[in-house]
Parts: sequence; structure tokens; C-alpha cells
Amino acid sequence: ETGVTQTPRHLVMGMTNKKSLKCEQHLGHNAMYWYKQSAKKPLELMFVYSLEERVENNSVPSRFSPECPNSSHLFLHLHTLQPEDSALYLCASSQDMIRLSLNTEAFFGQGTRLTVV
Amino acid sequence: AQKVTQAQTEISVVEKEDVTLDCVYETRDTTYYLFWYKQPPSGELVFLIRRNSFDEQNEISGRYSWNFQKSTSSFNFTITASQVVDSAVYFCALSSDYKLSFGAGTTVTVRA
Repeated sequence: ETGVTQTPRHLVMGMTNKKSLKCEQHLGHNAMYWYKQSAKKPLELMFVYSLEERVENNSVPSRFSPECPNSSHLFLHLHTLQPEDSALYLCASSQDMIRLSLNTEAFFGQGTRLTVV
Repeated sequence: AQKVTQAQTEISVVEKEDVTLDCVYETRDTTYYLFWYKQPPSGELVFLIRRNSFDEQNEISGRYSWNFQKSTSSFNFTITASQVVDSAVYFCALSSDYKLSFGAGTTVTVRA
């Protein structure tokens, strides 16, 4: 497999459920990101990990809990979500954090379409 | 603070027409990168182009071309002779550190 793979592609969960989103990259990248894409809104950066350490938590509610056990895997653990959390959750990776580098861009997975009922 | 504005929410054209997507950005940084990404119905964002703030040379790559105007903080994108496969959501993005700030996207529909 190559690129960035996200599972599941679709998830429907109740507000009291606990679920996890998984992201895996086979690109040898050191940085991984979680983005939230809601309808008609810009993508929102949620979390940034670099070399398995969390670099950024962009004021995300605690009902979203990220985990990066190694540089190839990134999880987003979900619990007691609200209906407004329904969105497309995109994982991305880059060689390193997107700084001023001509050779760095972010590669995205296909996303997990989350519906909270 | 960084901000990316894509004023066009939806554009619909007939195949072979040209499509220009507008992008206006705000940043206080003097060094930054601008990107265009395409999001087809399958969901993943596909990287199209990156430009740094010191490179205002515009470029044509096949049917795609870009117009970077630093004086007006604009980074517009044109698809020439559009095809049905170009139908997607197109995002403009800005980065000056490790954060990619995205616009809200422009949905392009190309009709046969």
C-alpha cells in the first residue's frame, strides 16, 4: 500500500458511543495531521504530530483524543460526540512539518465520513 | 493570523470552457507558501501546486495555469478547456509555518 489510508471510510455513531478513526501512512513521513471538514467551511486543523509528539492542539474539545503510537499511525479516539461533530475527518502527512521547504507538501487520505446521531 | 478567501462557492461550466478560480489571502508573514488542492468525490485532497512568496513567476502546466499577484494577495488558478473529470472541489491554502490554512473551497462542475 502507498499513500495515506484512513479507516473506516464511513462511521455512524450514537452520542454515547466510543469509536476510533485510524490513519496510516506508508510514505516515511515524520508529521501527521487531523483536519475536520464541515460543509461549506474551510478545513479546520485539529491536531499536529511531529515525530510522534503532539505539536498542536487547535482548541479541540476533549471528546476528541488523538494518539500517535509511531510515525506511521495516527488515531482519533471519539467519545460522547455531538451531532455538530458530524463531518469529514481527514488525515494528512508530510515529510516534516510544513515549513519553508520547497519539497514539502501534505498528502491527504480519503477521509472518514462521520455521522453522529 | 492567516486567512484564505475563496469567494466563489460554486462554478458550473460546459465542457471545453475555461474556468478561473479566485483566491485571496491574508498574512503578516513575508515568507509563506501557497497551495492549490483538488478534492474529487472520492474525498482525498490531491496536491496540485505550491508557490513560495518570493516566486511570482506564473506557470502553465498542461491545462492548468496559475496567476500569483503578490501586490493584490491573490493566487488564482485556471483550468483551460475543462473536462468532466475536472469536476471537484478546489481548495486554496496558505502556510507560513507548519499550519496549512485552507479556504472554504470552490465546487467546480463541468457538464458534458
